[in-house]
Amino acid sequence: QEQLVQSGAAVKKPGASVKVSCKASGYTFTSFFIHWVRQAPGQGLEWVGIINPAGGSTSYAQKLQGRVTMTRDTSTSTAYMELGSLTSDDTAIYYCARGPDQYELDYWGQGTLVTVSS
Amino acid sequence: SYELTQPPSVSVSPGQTAKITCSADALPKQYVNWYQQKPGQAPVLVIHKDIERPSGIPERFSGSTSGTTVTLTISAVQAEDEADYYCQSDDNSGSYHVLFGGGTKLTVL
Repeated sequence: QEQLVQSGAAVKKPGASVKVSCKASGYTFTSFFIHWVRQAPGQGLEWVGIINPAGGSTSYAQKLQGRVTMTRDTSTSTAYMELGSLTSDDTAIYYCARGPDQYELDYWGQGTLVTVSS
Repeated sequence: SYELTQPPSVSVSPGQTAKITCSADALPKQYVNWYQQKPGQAPVLVIHKDIERPSGIPERFSGSTSGTTVTLTISAVQAEDEADYYCQSDDNSGSYHVLFGGGTKLTVL
């Protein structure tokens, strides 16, 4: 069955970077997009960006452009999301999700809590 | 900027019908999808392509559209349906960007 397993929680200092991984199983990794979505404590869902594992092309939310980088390793069916120049506003649960197309998210990972604190 | 607007909360009694609306500034270029999120859990896709129900989602969940408003309807609401619900589509920019509504808290009285 389709599954996305994310890396564990991380605590970072302001100004640092964080890299979250998302390992896919149960389907052909390169046949579906991977979206990243975040959710600040008590808040709604915010789209971060998307990567096409087949070719590696990406598109990022304008708000995070310049600070976020999405990559993938097709040999391990793993997608990565790196966010730099962290501030307390980046404290959130970060989810990866599979996309049958650019606009749908059909299976989600369990989420990774990233806490930014001095 | 383009927005998807949802009511912050909806309350219904068990067995009644809940309707959660999602209003767009303009007709979305892409389909609208709906997600259910229970506390401490990842979201789950409950309606996609405006009206289609993914496998495993109960038949009491349905979607409909009328102009720039899409509606998630939950018939015969059960206590387990209490959750946050988010609509989602594109941001109308044509740049493959996804946009979520602000979310609606469904309370089962």
